[in-house]
Amino acid sequence: AQKITQTQPGMFVQEKEAVTLDCTYDTSDQSYGLFWYKQPSSGEMIFLIYQGSYDEQNATEGRYSLNFQKARKSANLVISASQLGDSAMYFCAMREGRSNYQLIWGAGTKLIIKP
Amino acid sequence: DGGITQSPKYLFRKEGQNVTLSCEQNLNHDAMYWYRQDPGQGLRLIYYSQIVNDFQKGDIAEGYSVSREKKESFPLTVTSAQKNPTAFYLCASTQLAGALNSYNEQFFGPGTRLTVL
Repeated sequence: AQKITQTQPGMFVQEKEAVTLDCTYDTSDQSYGLFWYKQPSSGEMIFLIYQGSYDEQNATEGRYSLNFQKARKSANLVISASQLGDSAMYFCAMREGRSNYQLIWGAGTKLIIKP
Repeated sequence: DGGITQSPKYLFRKEGQNVTLSCEQNLNHDAMYWYRQDPGQGLRLIYYSQIVNDFQKGDIAEGYSVSREKKESFPLTVTSAQKNPTAFYLCASTQLAGALNSYNEQFFGPGTRLTVL
């Protein structure tokens, strides 16, 4: 079974609109962390935001926020006021437990912002 | 500036050749990772190392080898046994210890694009 599922292979969004990228996860651990990374066409992976399983509030970093619904096992990324520079691949990843520092990656969502 | 460097940026290999991809970090991170990314796909773990002179296989280690002789260096060799090595290779590192609320996010290098001719 997939541990990280990103159901949207691609999305087109009008500039300045908000966009939600979906991520669902599967784990039996009580302690885990969820990460979102951005990969522009140049290839480098850029860390965006983190949510810990025990965090009571949704994480926010500038225009990025994470809609964390623990019971549904979803960790959707919300980008407010999208910009042309937001066009990229976006990956959701999970780290299970505190002793294992490996990440399990989703297949990614390609986001294209239209002017 | 602290970060991760990978070289070369582009690499062309003839069939039957071994090639080595370089990865160096000056972040003083304990753990280092190698990932492979195929077009339109997510990242797959090849090898990782949490301490010098020790490393573990990831999900797709066959046809690859690594070494970790120094904390800051984690080179990846793509051997002739790897049947389909054309891909984008990313190196990453992370600090294992930290504050309880530390993210311990992985930091990435710029990648090496390998093409088999």
